[in-house]
Amino acid sequence: EDKVVQSPLSLVVHEGDTVTLNCSYEVTNFRSLLWYKQEKKAPTFLFMLTSSGIEKKSGRLSSILDKKELFSILNITATQTGDSAVYLCAVEDRNTGNQFYFGTGTSLTVIP
Amino acid sequence: SQTIHQWPATLVQPVGSPLSLECTVEGTSNPNLYWYRQAAGRGLQLLFYSVGIGQISSEVPQNLSASRPQDRQFILSSKKLLLSDSGFYLCAWSPLGLGLETQYFGPGTRLLVL
Repeated sequence: EDKVVQSPLSLVVHEGDTVTLNCSYEVTNFRSLLWYKQEKKAPTFLFMLTSSGIEKKSGRLSSILDKKELFSILNITATQTGDSAVYLCAVEDRNTGNQFYFGTGTSLTVIP
Repeated sequence: SQTIHQWPATLVQPVGSPLSLECTVEGTSNPNLYWYRQAAGRGLQLLFYSVGIGQISSEVPQNLSASRPQDRQFILSSKKLLLSDSGFYLCAWSPLGLGLETQYFGPGTRLLVL
């Protein structure tokens, strides 16, 4: 079964809107959760989250983790057309060393 | 500086034909190496990873195999391709001892099996 579920699958917004992307997971021994931005080809690392309730922020992007409820959100404020991409969430399972699981991604399209 | 190369960039192969995708890393020693596949509409899937020459761990049972004949060379192979092997294949490396947060991806190979 899917260990990492992202929602929504796709999203279209206008420039300036704020979006919230969701990632819920289920692994036996959580180690970390990572967010990537994928444009055209190779993913670009955004954030790594290991502790609940601590917000990571980079410019207009921010992310937070809830280890009790097993989910993370990625917020993008004042969206720009350059934010259009697929956003991937990945969860690392401590039990299996390098084993990690990716969600299917959320496709975000920002229109002018 | 470190760079990672993959080739070819795009490949169209008939069903049943063999496959060989190559990935090389420059500017570092003893990297961890990874092969991923991203199929249409699905997330990235880790296929193989390697922590050293000749050391390959397979994450998903399938008709693909990987080899690491040299420290900075990682090869993905198949003896007979299936239609379901179509997808985007990414090679990645990370420094020895570090994890996902420092993973660097190659440009990828788009494979279409017809």
